[in-house]
Amino acid sequence: DAKTTQPPSMDCAEGRAANLPCNHSTISGNEYVYWYRQIHSQGPQYIIHGLKNNETNEMASLIITEDRKSSTLILPHATLRDTAVYYCIVRVADGAQKLVFGQGTRLTINP
Amino acid sequence: ETGVTQTPRHLVMGMTNKKSLKCEQHLGHNAMYWYKQSAKKPLELMFVYNFKEQTENNSVPSRFSPECPNSSHLFLHLHTLQPEDSALYLCASSQDPGFYEQYFGPGTRLTVT
Repeated sequence: DAKTTQPPSMDCAEGRAANLPCNHSTISGNEYVYWYRQIHSQGPQYIIHGLKNNETNEMASLIITEDRKSSTLILPHATLRDTAVYYCIVRVADGAQKLVFGQGTRLTINP
Repeated sequence: ETGVTQTPRHLVMGMTNKKSLKCEQHLGHNAMYWYKQSAKKPLELMFVYNFKEQTENNSVPSRFSPECPNSSHLFLHLHTLQPEDSALYLCASSQDPGFYEQYFGPGTRLTVT
């Protein structure tokens, strides 16, 4: 699986959009980008995933660059409950079972 | 609530004890997983089960012994652990192996003294 690089920490004001970057310059054509988050003292939670196109769901939007070497997770109106560690993961989606978690980005939402 | 429960939530055990962690999923999933999360380290996959059969053992020491009696239940039997095994142990499930979304339980915080 391709390696990802994320900033170790970020801050964002409550009510503003939080934009979390991820670099995955060695991503293969059949690898998806997944985002999970882990709120303190809880297990990780799936947020969103995508292959080439931008994706949006009720939690977030995922913007993938045209060359697929980087992506950005956007939380449009961050709340204090969005304070968590956010993990960007790339892997194939055809039966490969491993989710390989890196160190992630610790996002702190400030009031 | 994710539909995945884990008991106990906290466990303190001595190095000579034997204990078991339990995981139950109420989602009708076919795949279940054990992960370990040590302080300051990323989550590490330990075991994968698919339809009760173990399909992956990520070079886990034999003092950790998993058991999957059915698709809804997963156990992790612990014996003669070391202090460095102290960690958060997370269980997860997914519809099937490779499915994009895994649902995680809250974890068991294990301390080995």
